[in-house]
Amino acid sequence: EIVLTQSPATLSLSPGERATLSCRASQSIDSYLGWYQQKPGQAPRLLIYDALNRATGIPARFSGSGSGTDFTLTISSLEPEDFAIYYCQQRSNWPRTFGQGTKVEIK
Amino acid sequence: EVQLVESGGGLVKPGGSLRLSCAASGFTFSSYSLNWVRQAPGKGLEWVSSISGNSLYIYYADSVKDRFTVSRDNAKSSLYLQMNGLRGEDTAIYYCAKSIANGLDWFERWGQGTLVIVSS
Repeated sequence: EIVLTQSPATLSLSPGERATLSCRASQSIDSYLGWYQQKPGQAPRLLIYDALNRATGIPARFSGSGSGTDFTLTISSLEPEDFAIYYCQQRSNWPRTFGQGTKVEIK
Repeated sequence: EVQLVESGGGLVKPGGSLRLSCAASGFTFSSYSLNWVRQAPGKGLEWVSSISGNSLYIYYADSVKDRFTVSRDNAKSSLYLQMNGLRGEDTAIYYCAKSIANGLDWFERWGQGTLVIVSS
């Protein structure tokens, strides 16, 4: 099973700041990585797939990068609605796995 | 508009069974893989199962293999999860999620979830 490790666990930032979230895979997953956002009481929302492709309707301030084992989700300038938990997920191997999440909170 | 509506959750005793349903609309149901993902209270996301559009390809997490069975009825645009031998650790919100394409399991659309509580 591929283990995804996200860091940091919590990111405390102010609106307008840049957020950089990391996801590291226990083995190479090529570019088969996605990112999801989840707000309290809501279902997750797909942000990024195949490491760098924005899903439909996702604002351009969200961007993804990386390949192999190291991946990054960048939010260029945090909006109030971006404070949430972010999960990475791989579809390189079965079982599909998620990271443990990074909480982006208001500083 | 794509809609996924789960139902069938509830309180069940350890060892019991439950059948979850997911009613879909707004897309060509048979053309997409579908998935179940769960989230224990206050915890992260856990993939449970995936089924291809024609039901030929089915996958399970090790934690539910041999206890859970996923199926779909393309004529009814419905996805199911039969859960047997339920354990306390199966307590979670269960989400139905549509893949971005058949066999391309990025979870593009999600239902609101249905809560399963396993407790005596």
